[in-house]
Amino acid sequence: DAGVTQSPTHLIKTRGQQVTLRCSPKSGHDTVSWYQQALGQGPQFIFQYYEEEERQRGNFPDRFSGHQFPNYSSELNVNALLLGDSALYLCASSLWLVGTGVTGELFFGEGSRLTVL
Amino acid sequence: KNEVEQSPQNLTAQEGEFITINCSYSVGISALHWLQQHPGGGIVSLFMLSSGKKKHGRLIATINIQEKHSSLHITASHPRDSAVYICAVLLFYNTDKLIFGTGTRLQVFP
Repeated sequence: DAGVTQSPTHLIKTRGQQVTLRCSPKSGHDTVSWYQQALGQGPQFIFQYYEEEERQRGNFPDRFSGHQFPNYSSELNVNALLLGDSALYLCASSLWLVGTGVTGELFFGEGSRLTVL
Repeated sequence: KNEVEQSPQNLTAQEGEFITINCSYSVGISALHWLQQHPGGGIVSLFMLSSGKKKHGRLIATINIQEKHSSLHITASHPRDSAVYICAVLLFYNTDKLIFGTGTRLQVFP
């Protein structure tokens, strides 16, 4: 059973460009969350998708957008890249525990390391 | 002040030592995660706790909801335990969003 897979693993972009990162959740999971981790920092929550809708969003500008597909995979899009967007972008999947108000255990991908020049 | 604080920030140990990493938080939570991050970035979830204690192999995690404190213990530490250990909490009123501590960097020497 493949865990959470992310692509690409590394990429380099220049300021002003746009980037799309992809995440396939662990089999059986229906919830995908995205995090940004700057060098030496803990991850910061970007947003979470469940049933193809954005459930919650962290303090990130509208340049950060996402999508979840019917097969539960997800994309993170960042427009008008800034140097400060350079970071490791982590995807985590989980199963929404209906009736409890929480998700179950999280499984993380290896991340996509974005460098903006 | 961060809502989730970890201590120590850095920890070195000799193989075989008992290790404790602490996490304190200042908000109401529904659950707490202990995560392990290896160089290169991959994160593995070790535990998800909402009360009491959990054990998995040489790892033990405890949480005291009243004191807003959790600990991760590693018994008989090994060089392969070297990693960054991160505490993350799910807010009680917002169960979609994890708030992370800045991590504890552990190095275990043979």
